[in-house]
Amino acid sequence: DIVMTQSPDSLAVSLGERATINCKSSRSVLYYSNNKNYLAWYQQKPGQPPKLLISWASSRESGVPDRFSGSGSGTDFTLTISSLQAEDVAVYYCQQYYTPPFAFGPGTRVDV
Amino acid sequence: QVQLQESGPGLVKPSETLSLTCAVSGASIRSYHLSWIRQPPGEGLEWIGYIYYSGSTNYNPSLKSRVTISIDTSKNQFSLKLSSVTAADTAVYYCARGGSDYDTPFDYWGQGALVTVSS
Repeated sequence: DIVMTQSPDSLAVSLGERATINCKSSRSVLYYSNNKNYLAWYQQKPGQPPKLLISWASSRESGVPDRFSGSGSGTDFTLTISSLQAEDVAVYYCQQYYTPPFAFGPGTRVDV
Repeated sequence: QVQLQESGPGLVKPSETLSLTCAVSGASIRSYHLSWIRQPPGEGLEWIGYIYYSGSTNYNPSLKSRVTISIDTSKNQFSLKLSSVTAADTAVYYCARGGSDYDTPFDYWGQGALVTVSS
């Protein structure tokens, strides 16, 4: 099974500043035949279900602000919030969908 | 607008079977992989398994011996049964939609149903 880890567990960032979250998979989630990384990022606010922000490691979903960006390939990935807004306070999860059992990282809490 | 809504008992006794249903509106469940995912209070997310409209399933090995996911395309809904529950199965249970291929992210989620296992 692929195991996902994230760092840090939590971080506090001033409004307008950059937040960076790291995600690592225990083995590559890059499918060489199509050069796609099977890695997603979700945002979860209290009392709400997770919301898909980014798929294929770097493709922003429709309606997601462009201050959110994803990067990385293979086993190492990063979610960056370029200018933190108050509404971005949440827990962020990475998830691999390369192969079942699909696995999520433990989450990173972002606060102001 | 695609919506998913979980329903079922919020309290289940230990050793009994947890049963939940997810009703999907705004889109046909045909051609999508439909998953159940759970989240214990204050903890992270665990994928339970998925079903395709054809009836094919894939379960997390950690739960496979106790899980059954079924589908009713006529009602546009799918269901979860988890047998022999213990307090460790207390969680918010989410249903979520994947893509036409199994290896796709979850783009729509239900609001979640809290199920507590207690006598």
